[in-house]
Amino acid sequence: GAGVSQSPSNKVTEKGKDVELRCDPISGHTALYWYRQSLGQGLEFLIYFQGNSAPDKSGLPSDRFSAERTGGSVSTLTIQRTQQEDSAVYLCATRQLNLSSYNEQFFGPGTRLTVL
Amino acid sequence: RKEVEQDPGPFNVPEGATVAFNCTYSNSASQSFFWYRQDCRKEPKLLMSVYSSGNEDGRFTAQLNRASQYISLLIRDSKLSDSATYLCVVNKLGYQKVTFGTGTKLQVIP
Repeated sequence: GAGVSQSPSNKVTEKGKDVELRCDPISGHTALYWYRQSLGQGLEFLIYFQGNSAPDKSGLPSDRFSAERTGGSVSTLTIQRTQQEDSAVYLCATRQLNLSSYNEQFFGPGTRLTVL
Repeated sequence: RKEVEQDPGPFNVPEGATVAFNCTYSNSASQSFFWYRQDCRKEPKLLMSVYSSGNEDGRFTAQLNRASQYISLLIRDSKLSDSATYLCVVNKLGYQKVTFGTGTKLQVIP
């Protein structure tokens, strides 16, 4: 497809389990962002990739969270030993990088994570 | 002080009304500005970019005031379908990370 895709769309897991969330960017978009949004709250920045490197991972809440990106394309966000407070919608967005600073971010539909 | 601040609302307005939102930003090096719209349980989508000269798209007008460090969004002739959360987005000069405000909720009532 032409848009950003994320999988799974919904994930229910038990406390203490690890989960892996996937983002497939728009082809050619070198910048990739992960955000988290709890119910009724704003977007919380987690990490940003430029190509395969992550110049800014300042938003990762704890060392249980990690992310990687391979081939400048697919990215995975891994949460180890999930806690109930990790329950949220995890959104991925991608953006084309060029001289213009007005390139918009395109968001995927998100993964709704529920930790029981 | 937050990098980007918005009044969370909700703004409850009747159909046909004109409503305006402001968003303030703290970093004077901010370079590009956007308004995104987020419907309930959906992902954010770009509504419009905000240029220095201001811009208009149908019923929507966006303005930038660099001196006072705020951007605004004006919606004329509000429709029920305008009900959503409006997110202010700011991008710093030379930096690819963008900062989202927490959003202003608009509810247009019949």
